[in-house]
Amino acid sequence: SYALTQPPSVSVAPGQTATITCGGNNIGSQTVHWYQQKPGQAPVVVVYDDSDRPPGIPERFSGSNSGNTATLTISRVEAGDEADYYCQVWDSSSDLWVFGGGTKLTVL
Amino acid sequence: QVHLVESGGGVVQPGRPLRLSCEAAGFTFSDYGMHWVRQAPGKALEWVALIWYDGSNIYYSDSVKGRFTVSRDNSKDTLYLQMNSLRAEDTGVYYCVKETGTYSKFDSWGQGTLVTVSS
Repeated sequence: SYALTQPPSVSVAPGQTATITCGGNNIGSQTVHWYQQKPGQAPVVVVYDDSDRPPGIPERFSGSNSGNTATLTISRVEAGDEADYYCQVWDSSSDLWVFGGGTKLTVL
Repeated sequence: QVHLVESGGGVVQPGRPLRLSCEAAGFTFSDYGMHWVRQAPGKALEWVALIWYDGSNIYYSDSVKGRFTVSRDNSKDTLYLQMNSLRAEDTGVYYCVKETGTYSKFDSWGQGTLVTVSS
């Protein structure tokens, strides 16, 4: 089955840029969604269809997807961005929905 | 505004059944596919099952296939998950999730219900 690989943790100082990667075999041919989950809360989609943002999500959140890596970029990181982030795809070849292992973003 | 409320979680012994429910409001329930996603304590999200808007197609993860059954009652705006032969590794928070878009974006999540499988 299709697997997605994320770094367990990323740390960044406030005001800097955080980059969270999601690796998968030819993931560039898939469509990737990204979710933010804060402790004790349900996940929220922050980027969908590789690079689109839902209403209410700051422009600081952006996404890209090419080759074997999809990337979530958070610019001008704030303390409130500290959370777990998950990438997700729909593997249409097997009709399975797959999540990455999650990345804990720490704001120093 | 979309509102999804799960219920039915609790402590259950290994091998016993449990049924979860998810009441939907704020959108036309019968127009959307619905998923169950779970999260073991301290672990990553794991997709469990999908049922199409009309119930005509259903998909399961390999880890629950043959033990769990997803269903829906569009007249009651309610999604269900019947869980049989429960195992310790089924412990976790179960989320009811609405999907949308061509590529199955999970755009609305319930608050989750905790299932603990323990003797």
